Amino acid sequence: IAGITQAPTSQILAAGRRMTLRCTQDMRHNAMYWYRQDLGLGLRLIHYSNTAGTTGKGEVPDGYSVSRANTDDFPLTLASAVPSQTSVYFCASSGGPYNEQFFGPGTRLTVL
Amino acid sequence: GQNIDQPTEMTATEGAIVQINCTYQTSGFNGLFWYQQHAGEAPTFLSYNVLDGLEEKGRFSSFLSRSKGYSYLLLKELQMKDSASYLCAVRDQDYQLIWGAGTKLIIKP
Repeated sequence: IAGITQAPTSQILAAGRRMTLRCTQDMRHNAMYWYRQDLGLGLRLIHYSNTAGTTGKGEVPDGYSVSRANTDDFPLTLASAVPSQTSVYFCASSGGPYNEQFFGPGTRLTVL
Repeated sequence: GQNIDQPTEMTATEGAIVQINCTYQTSGFNGLFWYQQHAGEAPTFLSYNVLDGLEEKGRFSSFLSRSKGYSYLLLKELQMKDSASYLCAVRDQDYQLIWGAGTKLIIKP
């Protein structure tokens, strides 16, 4: 693994179903983030984790939950998907000289 | 509230220079980032400014004025591969990034 990976790449989901988006990084970064990106809007923070064992709510947390059992993994769960959760989801971690964020390739989720 | 403004779309010619502006109003300031995002791909880091002035990195430069809440990204010698969206983001007092909606840059031959 090099950087951040996300799975699945894309998914079509029936409303009401439960779904977990996976995110794994191998850079040993402490902080990780989940964003959603919708057309015409900026990246919006869903949840974040500053270090393993801790999580926090972002700008749009409702309907989503996260866990951070270890440094590498940061899954995002939709307990009961709704059509308004149709979006592209990006996982990111921060590190480097400016503590800049590095992004995974994204998951394109469609809820019908 | 917190707000970051960028033009929605800009068009420029291959080989030319383009300036993409970003204005911000945030709760605190701990640096400003520019990212590039090609269609269907993830954002990638371009530049970082925390002090006033110009930071140059090859064909790309970024400028910051904290007193004016203003930054710009300058792209020189434009190439077709520069066609992408450019995202401005400010790190606020809680060290979270606040993102602009992005500027879609279209390069014409």
